[in-house]
Amino acid sequence: QVQLQQWGAGLLKPSETLSLTCAVYGGSFSGYSLSWIRQAPGKGLEWIGEVDHSRGTGFNPSLKGRVTISVDTSNNQFSLKMTSVTAADTAVYYCARGGLNWGQGTLVTVSS
Amino acid sequence: QSALTQPRSVSGSPGQSVTISCTGSSSDVGGYNYVAWYHHHPGKAPKLMIYDVSNRPSGVPDRFSGSKSGNTASLTISGLQAEDEADYYCCSYAGTYWVFGGGTKLTVL
Repeated sequence: QVQLQQWGAGLLKPSETLSLTCAVYGGSFSGYSLSWIRQAPGKGLEWIGEVDHSRGTGFNPSLKGRVTISVDTSNNQFSLKMTSVTAADTAVYYCARGGLNWGQGTLVTVSS
Repeated sequence: QSALTQPRSVSGSPGQSVTISCTGSSSDVGGYNYVAWYHHHPGKAPKLMIYDVSNRPSGVPDRFSGSKSGNTASLTISGLQAEDEADYYCCSYAGTYWVFGGGTKLTVL
């Protein structure tokens, strides 16, 4: 059974860099879209970005170049970095594999 | 980019059918056969119900069906059950990125 386990800092100050990692256990890592999605309090889901085996890398244009996604195939992990965070980046962040398998979610709060 | 347009809420009684629409543009919904639908309870991970417009992942009941006409995709749930009550989100490929709809709260009366 495929499981995704994610971790990272949950409390950041404005202007700091958000860093989250997601590990894929029990299933193939390559050949799938590896994505990050978030949900701000009281808001809907927002797609952040992906690394896809055929489409390559894509990012939400509204995040204006603040996001990078890296892949560590040797450890079946992928990571999200988002620079210059503000309170508007406060959200539950999810990693996902192929849209079908999801991490448990990480609440990231940005506050001074 | 703008979120896809979904009704804020829909409702139905057990056993009935409901349809949730998702309207975009020729740059997203209308331009690609890559529309997915997710079932989501806040605080839990979303669950994929439909992918590539009308395909169901293994384990999703055939009460859930998806379709698309022009720039509008639809999710139909037939034989409503209490467990179907949740937020539903559509998601479409838009060329170099994906965009979600604003979400629809389904209430089972």
